[in-house]
Amino acid sequence: GQQLNQSPQSMFIQEGEDVSMNCTSSSIFNTWLWYKQEPGEGPVLLIALYKAGELTSNGRLTAQFGITRKDSFLNISASIPSDVGIYFCAGQPVSGTYKYIFGTGTRLKVLA
Amino acid sequence: GAVVSQHPSRVICKSGTSVKIECRSLDFQATTMFWYRQFPKQSLMLMATSNEGSKATYEQGVEKDKFLINHASLTLSTLTVTSAHPEDSSFYICSASPPEDEQFFGPGTRLTVL
Repeated sequence: GQQLNQSPQSMFIQEGEDVSMNCTSSSIFNTWLWYKQEPGEGPVLLIALYKAGELTSNGRLTAQFGITRKDSFLNISASIPSDVGIYFCAGQPVSGTYKYIFGTGTRLKVLA
Repeated sequence: GAVVSQHPSRVICKSGTSVKIECRSLDFQATTMFWYRQFPKQSLMLMATSNEGSKATYEQGVEKDKFLINHASLTLSTLTVTSAHPEDSSFYICSASPPEDEQFFGPGTRLTVL
């Protein structure tokens, strides 16, 4: 199936550092969602973006919907150990269907 | 956010048997639900779109006769893995959307076929 390009694949950072990850596509998307998944669990929605250029925050998390509608980034500021997990972006194509395409995931590990 | 449940959370079965997984939207009605499969250290791959009252729409490469989907009500969709084989072992996750809203995921079902 189709997937979005997400980078980096994995990150090892020190507690307190800021983190940035992004998703890119060759297609235009209507909506971008960012999820966090912990082992053995389903993804949990972090932030939803609906308009090109939109910048939205949720606590220490900030995400933006790219102006071209083909990309999005997620920033985590002042990381803490519980930020560990896999972060996925998901985009809804401008195809009229309601399904989402998922990114390949960014595996984040925070060293205390 | 909206709550989606899945049952069972974990199932182990013998090769050749069928397994049914339920997905329920607990506090909203969902005309559309989605079924995903996730292999270890990989992303979620959409298997099919479950439509209430009509046939499911399967993604390319997904066998509709092997993965039977029934969306009998606005709060329940079921995925039945028929004649399961070890290669079907995976983490199966459903999601549902309230009207005009984001997708919310269930906690997933880990299937192990011996």
